[in-house]
Amino acid sequence: NAGVTQTPKFQVLKTGQSMTLQCAQDMNHEYMSWYRQDPGMGLRLIHYSVGAGITDQGEVPNGYNVSRSTTEDFPLRLLSAAPSQTSVYFCASSYYRQMNTEAFFGQGTRLTVV
Amino acid sequence: AQSVAQPEDQVNVAEGNPLTVKCTYSVSGNPYLFWYVQYPNRGLQFLLKYITGDNLVKGSYGFEAEFNKSQTSFHLKKPSALVSDSALYFCAVRDGSGTYKYIFGTGTRLKVLA
Repeated sequence: NAGVTQTPKFQVLKTGQSMTLQCAQDMNHEYMSWYRQDPGMGLRLIHYSVGAGITDQGEVPNGYNVSRSTTEDFPLRLLSAAPSQTSVYFCASSYYRQMNTEAFFGQGTRLTVV
Repeated sequence: AQSVAQPEDQVNVAEGNPLTVKCTYSVSGNPYLFWYVQYPNRGLQFLLKYITGDNLVKGSYGFEAEFNKSQTSFHLKKPSALVSDSALYFCAVRDGSGTYKYIFGTGTRLKVLA
């Protein structure tokens, strides 16, 4: 089983460039989310979705857009990259209303903005 | 608001000794608690979760967690540490107020010394 697949694994962007981080899951999970991980700050939620066509903001949404057109895919778009967006990004998915189900994580995308 | 706290940035323990990684939580309603481990340059892997009624929860790789409702704690434990247990550990709580978000602590780095 593939689980949660993120691409690319590494990316270097110039300030002002845009790009899309891809996330796909094959577990038919309704809930998907994006986090960024920075040293000493743990995991911070950027955006999340509880199903196709439904998205909402997390604690650090500025500079990022998401959409959810299918259950499987949840891409994260950086509109105009800034050095402050240098981070490791993780996508996660889980079942929606079953509260005691764990989230499954992708392997991460390491993004550097120069 | 739901939250978790991991009061120790780093825990050092000698190989073969018992280890404890601390986590306290604040929730309204039932607690849905999880532990994850992250090895270098990898995504988060699920270790264990709290199941209502079980104060001692057993998980992967010999880890267990002790739930204490009066102290609002969910500490991760292992009777005998291995050098290979050295990693970053995250405690998480799932938001039961309607968003279903996973909220993570800042992480504790465990270093097991040979």
